[in-house]
Amino acid sequence: NAGVMQNPRHLVRRRGQEARLRCSPMKGHSHVYWYRQLPEEGLKFMVYLQKENIIDESGMPKERFSAEFPKEGPSILRIQQVVRGDSAAYFCASSPRTENYGYTFGSGTRLTVV
Amino acid sequence: KQEVTQIPAALSVPEGENLVLNCSFTDSAIYNLQWFRQDPGKGLTSLLLIQSSQREQTSGRLNASLDKSSGRSTLYIAASQPGDSATYLCAVLLMDSSYKLIFGSGTRLLVRP
Repeated sequence: NAGVMQNPRHLVRRRGQEARLRCSPMKGHSHVYWYRQLPEEGLKFMVYLQKENIIDESGMPKERFSAEFPKEGPSILRIQQVVRGDSAAYFCASSPRTENYGYTFGSGTRLTVV
Repeated sequence: KQEVTQIPAALSVPEGENLVLNCSFTDSAIYNLQWFRQDPGKGLTSLLLIQSSQREQTSGRLNASLDKSSGRSTLYIAASQPGDSATYLCAVLLMDSSYKLIFGSGTRLLVRP
């Protein structure tokens, strides 16, 4: 079991470009969460997805950000027209279909907007 | 709205000391509480998971307690080592349909040789 896989580990984008972050959950995990960690700050919830469904996107900025978890393939967090303030570490976590288990986090994608 | 607070924000101790990290939360309607470790520039490693019906969990030199009614958890680290230096985060799983983890801002620990 390879754990939660995120790629790329580091991503550099110029202002105005698009960033696509990928997350493959642990085998058997059907819940995927995205969190953002700004420099020197804690982790903030962005979005919760199950296969083909967005369950809770209350932490996602209303513009430029979108997320999906298709039937096949990884979950994608997409940031359009990136700005310097989007520079952060983006973490994905997965959990099984029950509240009795904890989250398992990936190693994160560190986005730098130049 | 659930708020999670960790005290102290930073801690520096000599090697060998026993230490306690504190976590408090405002809403006791949680499924569980999880302690994580984060090394600089790295991801999160789960240390201990305590279900809401449990009082404590132990793993090696780590012991975590949970008092749900008072909204408190402590992480006890025995015989600290320089390799324990990291940021320690606590997070609670909200008892609602979103299964959302709410994090504290962490305690940055430095264990001096």
